Amino acid sequence: SQQGEEDPQALSIQEGENATMNCSYKTSINNLQWYRQNSGRGLVHLILIRSNEREKHSGRLRVTLDTSKKSSSLLITASRAADTASYFCATGAGGFKTIFGAGTRLFVKA
Amino acid sequence: DTEVTQTPKHLVMGMTNKKSLKCEQHMGHRAMYWYKQKAKKPPELMFVYSYEKLSINESVPSRFSPECPNSSLLNLHLHALQPEDSALYLCASTNDRGSSGNTIYFGEGSWLTVV
Repeated sequence: SQQGEEDPQALSIQEGENATMNCSYKTSINNLQWYRQNSGRGLVHLILIRSNEREKHSGRLRVTLDTSKKSSSLLITASRAADTASYFCATGAGGFKTIFGAGTRLFVKA
Repeated sequence: DTEVTQTPKHLVMGMTNKKSLKCEQHMGHRAMYWYKQKAKKPPELMFVYSYEKLSINESVPSRFSPECPNSSLLNLHLHALQPEDSALYLCASTNDRGSSGNTIYFGEGSWLTVV
């Protein structure tokens, strides 16, 4: 079973708007990562947040982590058509197993 | 551009065929992975090699046979596959500390269709 569950499953917005995606997980984690996947391509790492961090920024990305609620959110500000992709959260408790959430498909209309 | 290279990009094979997927990385990573991804689903871990030794097999059917000839190469040998095995197969690598807490570098994937 998947560790992370994301909502919404799909999101359609206009260029320039902000996009927020949420991820919930079940067990304790050391860190949480977000990945992006353009249609039919490989996944690309976006950002990692550790369990002792509450918020992290990278360019137009803002990630929050609430370990008490076992949830994380990814905010993309001022979205662009090129942000159209699937976004996955990924959790791990150490070692070589990383569990990916179900993903949010984002469509940004120009 | 990805630093993990996968070939072929597309493969169509019959259920009696034997084929192989290949993966190469030159980042000096000592952990390499195979993931399977169905449409609109997240990647699912299949195998992990650490220092050229198989360290994780997620109960994958034996018709999938991984091989790690050296620290840069990873193969997935396919034999007697079923149509439901059609999917995107992703190769990935990390440093030797594993995938948890480290960036996973993915290849562009090999699209497999079993007919």
